[in-house]
Amino acid sequence: GAVVSQHPSRVICKSGTSVKIECRSLDFQATTMFWYRQFPKQSLMLMATSNEGSKATYEQGVEKDKFLINHASLTLSTLTVTSAHPEDSSFYICSAEDGPYGYTFGSGTRLTVV
Amino acid sequence: KNQVEQSPQSLIILEGKNCTLQCNYTVSPFSNLRWYKQDTGRGPVSLTIMTFSENTKSNGRYTATLDADTKQSSLHITASQLSDSASYICVVSPFTGGGNKLTFGTGTQLKVEL
Repeated sequence: GAVVSQHPSRVICKSGTSVKIECRSLDFQATTMFWYRQFPKQSLMLMATSNEGSKATYEQGVEKDKFLINHASLTLSTLTVTSAHPEDSSFYICSAEDGPYGYTFGSGTRLTVV
Repeated sequence: KNQVEQSPQSLIILEGKNCTLQCNYTVSPFSNLRWYKQDTGRGPVSLTIMTFSENTKSNGRYTATLDADTKQSSLHITASQLSDSASYICVVSPFTGGGNKLTFGTGTQLKVEL
């Protein structure tokens, strides 16, 4: 079955630094990937849609300059949290469309900003 | 506004028992409904996917049903195991593909005890 690899699974960074999260489709090509944020005991919130070879589409209220998305190939999308602050601490999850109805999610990245 | 409501919010059952989780949605038009299992600190894993024309879909001990007329779905877990302890999320899509239009339920937190 389709596999989406997300790395790292956990990261702790100092306030003011930047963190990059990678999302790879291992056995299929994904022209579109999605980035979500999840707070404890809440559902996933779509942050942005990552399109291969073009600019990402951000949801309302998501700062595009803070959450930089790059989708340079059909198997890799990256999310960079720039100048991270404690309020950016959260669980970030990517997903990729692997068929007409299927979405495979990555295993998530727990970001803690101290 | 498209909404997906799940019940109960949380559930505790004994190992070996069966349980049924509910999902009511108002998403329209409707294309497909998915049930995911999310372990704590992990990304969601797909259990079942049903299009609007399907009434039931099974995956091992998991059986999902769909009534597109009443906009209700259920996930039945048979002979529960400790490893079934997780959050179960109902996700509805109004279109084929179109990941940015997925509507997530808030999930049912299931705990299976000895």
